[in-house]
Amino acid sequence: AQRVTQPEKLLSVFKGAPVELKCNYSYSGSPELFWYVQYSRQRLQLLLRHISRESIKGFTADLNKGETSFHLKKPFAQEEDSAMYYCALRRGYNKLIFGAGTRLAVHP
Amino acid sequence: GAGVSQSPRYKVAKRGQDVALRCDPISGHVSLFWYQQALGQGPEFLTYFQNEAQLDKSGLPSDRFFAERPEGSVSTLKIQRTQQEDSAVYLCASSRGEDGSYEQYFGPGTRLTVT
Repeated sequence: AQRVTQPEKLLSVFKGAPVELKCNYSYSGSPELFWYVQYSRQRLQLLLRHISRESIKGFTADLNKGETSFHLKKPFAQEEDSAMYYCALRRGYNKLIFGAGTRLAVHP
Repeated sequence: GAGVSQSPRYKVAKRGQDVALRCDPISGHVSLFWYQQALGQGPEFLTYFQNEAQLDKSGLPSDRFFAERPEGSVSTLKIQRTQQEDSAVYLCASSRGEDGSYEQYFGPGTRLTVT
């Protein structure tokens, strides 16, 4: 069965520290993976997708098929990065399968 | 331009009542999705429309849940005889195209509380 696992419910770091939000998936085909972010009192929005291979707001994520992982990384966290982050896998037409989410708290 | 809108934003229902949740997608978006997000969880897929056709309803948890999009624009998610386990945030998303290459844009959600 297709599944997305985010092992950490909360990740707490200080401003300027590196950040890595973990995501592991199980999928039998060729996966397409995404990171979505939800800032406080805002709606869920796309942060990045693996096929774009781009950096958004300083975040990057590399698909590792051998480890079935798609971890989100940023070298220097900022306070405005504090948010809920969801890893998601696309299945079928457009159906997204989400992980349970990780709350990132960046302290000054 | 306007994003995806949902109404009502909050709904309190007594157990056994029927509710109807509305989604207005971005104008011209072909695809529309409903997700259910329980407290502390990620969104879970409920159903998918391409224009007015409901192509996937595999995520609807029971036959008490029904969704429609009769004119290929506005969609309504109806829950009959609500139960406490239906309490969740219901998210609607729309995307421009018919395949997965297009981004899904999410609405603000409707928070349903069943008492």
